[in-house]
Amino acid sequence: DAGVIQSPRHEVTEMGQEVTLRCKLISGHNSLFWYRQTMMRGLELLIYFNNNVPIDDSGMPEDRFSAKMPNASFSTLKIQPSEPRDSAVYFCASSFPQYFGPGTRLTVL
Amino acid sequence: QKEVEQNSGPLSVPEGAIASLNCTYSDRVSQSFFWYRQYSGKSPELIMSIYSNGDKEDGRFTAQLNKASQYVSLLIRDSQPSDSATYLCAAGRDSNYQLIWGAGTKLIIKP
Repeated sequence: DAGVIQSPRHEVTEMGQEVTLRCKLISGHNSLFWYRQTMMRGLELLIYFNNNVPIDDSGMPEDRFSAKMPNASFSTLKIQPSEPRDSAVYFCASSFPQYFGPGTRLTVL
Repeated sequence: QKEVEQNSGPLSVPEGAIASLNCTYSDRVSQSFFWYRQYSGKSPELIMSIYSNGDKEDGRFTAQLNKASQYVSLLIRDSQPSDSATYLCAAGRDSNYQLIWGAGTKLIIKP
């Protein structure tokens, strides 16, 4: 959906490097969701925000993952340090029901 | 029991036939249900939502909700090769905006 923009679309990095994924929302949608999708585990909710406030981060795998939403239309998901098992497609989605961005395919070597 | 369950497939259907996709759910989800279609390498796309018992039709798609039996279905009439994709069933969770996802059913429409 053109209303949810993610960058970069592809990221290849080496183990131990910091990775920052970005998401820009349709204006007026006050909920934002970060998902991770792999063949093995399917679609997993990592964290979601409502009105810029993190509501549930129980899906964040470990302390290496952090997410921020500094304003109503922008969010970042950071992985530091990255590991090969973090390789996946990361989606950002907005609103309810959820509309997905195109995703970022992350490969950690 | 998982909160939302789907058969992973693949489900193979000849072109022009009706494709029937099923999803069961537990008591722990709310009464809003959604079907998403995901093409390989693309993001999930919302195609149907259903909130009330019964059928809801949109073009070639019909969603069916049976609360007594706790299942929701998606029927695709006159199926086309372009319908080949993974179909994800999702249910709302009470009191917040989360969706609970099934694992998805891979549908293959054979010409």
